[in-house]
Amino acid sequence: QSVVTQPPSASGAPGQRVTISCSGDSSNIRSNAVNWYQQFPGRAPKVLIFGDNQRPSGVPDRFSGSKSGTSAYLAINGLQSEDEADYYCSSWDDRQNGWVFGGGTKVTVL
Amino acid sequence: EVQLVESGGGLVQPGGSLRLSCGVSGFTVSASTMNWVRQAPGKGLEWISYMDSSGTIYYADSVKGRFTISRDNDKNSLALQMNGLRGEDAAVYYCAREKQVSLKKSTPMGESTYYYYFLDVWGRGTTVTVSS
Repeated sequence: QSVVTQPPSASGAPGQRVTISCSGDSSNIRSNAVNWYQQFPGRAPKVLIFGDNQRPSGVPDRFSGSKSGTSAYLAINGLQSEDEADYYCSSWDDRQNGWVFGGGTKVTVL
Repeated sequence: EVQLVESGGGLVQPGGSLRLSCGVSGFTVSASTMNWVRQAPGKGLEWISYMDSSGTIYYADSVKGRFTISRDNDKNSLALQMNGLRGEDAAVYYCAREKQVSLKKSTPMGESTYYYYFLDVWGRGTTVTVSS
């Protein structure tokens, strides 16, 4: 069981906004930046957001990240069919001295 | 081109050993921070090991004492020696480079530099199956 928790699923119609939550504790999310990864079936993960809210070059600006206390959020605005994927939050954990990942959220476009 | 290519996966009996390799191109493994992350079938990502340029090493509790991370500077590669394999170790194993990004931000105290870390390059993974 992960020390960082995410809802297992989220969905929305094309064009809608979807928000995924990520809940941790003082040893990870409160103390360290949160990264978000996108993963398609059979493919390696790809970083979507780093440093709580920074987008690497090439990531569309409809993806945004935020953080408050021990929780982080990934928002997808203007949901598109190609956004159907698994999304993982991750943060460094000072207690475990390692990266922790949320359990992942499967996003479905209705 | 920056690339990671894992190899060495396969079928192994419970209690057996396997050595995974991660071939690195486009950057120098000895100057980088590298990680191993695994994903059991139908499950989420699980970090298992870290090695930075100074040789600092960390392991997840689930593999501590059984797995060993190492690098070969001459071959510019990373390895993961896995001993005492269990059924729950069956997974796709990814090696991933950890990147540091520095950003300057304005604060009430003036300008500050913040450092952020994330896994920016991943291999395609190699599959480990543990079964008798």
